[in-house]
Formats: sequence, C-alpha cells, structure tokens
Amino acid sequence: GIQVEQSPPDLILQEGANSTLRCNFSDSVNNLQWFHQNPWGQLINLFYIPSGTKQNGRLSATTVATERYSLLYISSSQTTDSGVYFCAVEKTSYDKVIFGPGTSLSVIP
Amino acid sequence: DSGVTQTPKHLITATGQRVTLRCSPRSGDLSVYWYQQSLDQGLQFLIQYYNGEERAKGNILERFSAQQFPDLHSELNLSSLELGDSALYFCASSPEDRGNTYEQYFGPGTRLTVT
Repeated sequence: GIQVEQSPPDLILQEGANSTLRCNFSDSVNNLQWFHQNPWGQLINLFYIPSGTKQNGRLSATTVATERYSLLYISSSQTTDSGVYFCAVEKTSYDKVIFGPGTSLSVIP
Repeated sequence: DSGVTQTPKHLITATGQRVTLRCSPRSGDLSVYWYQQSLDQGLQFLIQYYNGEERAKGNILERFSAQQFPDLHSELNLSSLELGDSALYFCASSPEDRGNTYEQYFGPGTRLTVT
C-alpha cells in the first residue's frame, strides 16, 4: 500500500516565525488533504489539494503530484497554530485512506 | 463546527462488553468514514460507506462492524472489547460528485475507555 511520510516529526517555533511542513507519498494519489488536530483533539480540515497551490490566510499548500510530495506553509505563526498537522491520501475514492504520522508543532510566545 | 455529529462524546465500559458509536454526516454527504486514533497506532482508517454500501475497508478488526442506514447516519459496533480498544474514534463525511469523494469533514470524536 501507499506509504506516507511527514517531516519534521516535531517543530518548535517562536511566535511570528514561518515554517514549512512536508508530506511525501509513495504512489500516485487522487485525493490529498491537510488537517490540523488542535490540543483538544479536534481535527480541522485545512486544504483539499491533490495538485496545485491553495492559500487560506496565513496558510498555503502546494502539491506536486508528479513528484509525490505536498508542502504546507505556515506564515507568521501564532500560539493557536499549535497542535499536530496530518496529511492524508487516497489512491482513489475506493481505496483506504492513509494518514501520515503527523508533525507536532508548538508555537511559543 | 464541521456539521458532522458523533455520540456519545465519552464512553467508559468494561472488557468483554459491546458498544455502539453513532455518526450523523453533514447534510447532503453520502460518504461516511470511521477512524481509530490511539497513541501507539496514530490515525487508522477503519471503513468507508457510500450511500449505504461498504466502499473501502481498512484495518478493522473482526470484532468491529459498521453500517450506514437509509437516512445516511452510520453506526460503529465494537464487541468483545479489550483494553487495547481504548482510543478516540472519529467519523468523517465527504461530498461526492459522480461517485468520487472529496474533502473529508471530521466529527468531534468519541473517546472510548475500556477498563
């Protein structure tokens, strides 16, 4: 099955700093999403991005499907950005959803 | 608020028991997914239903079963519970277009503790 890797596994940032999170996947996929799990456990949908670039406020994401990776950019980080960031992929809508292991982000004031 | 509801929020039960978790998808979404999140296993996909039919199966134990009803709500049944089944169980729903599903929206989860 598809393998999903995320890097870095842990990240500590000073408030206001920028960061880039990476998701690598081992096979072609039809669906790719980025999620944020906040410290209360809630999973929040950030981007649905099987290819291309999207932006939403201080967050943006780029997926290069031909090279099998996706990047999540966080600019001017805030303490509320703390939590775990997951990418999840599906080869097709009829396949298993595979989550990466996540990147744990701590933003300190 | 994602629009996906799950009940109950918390559940404490004993080993060997059986429980049922319930999920109501967002209005109009035909696909429902179930996931298990434990500290040592991360987020694991269990099963997906689309308009009442099973569409994809993941690492779901034989002691677990699920179904999606005509009103599109779904239930996950966990039986012969073991200590290792203690986890956060999430449901998600997804819109579809011509049979293809898209972004998933997650419910708040049910925290199951088996004692």
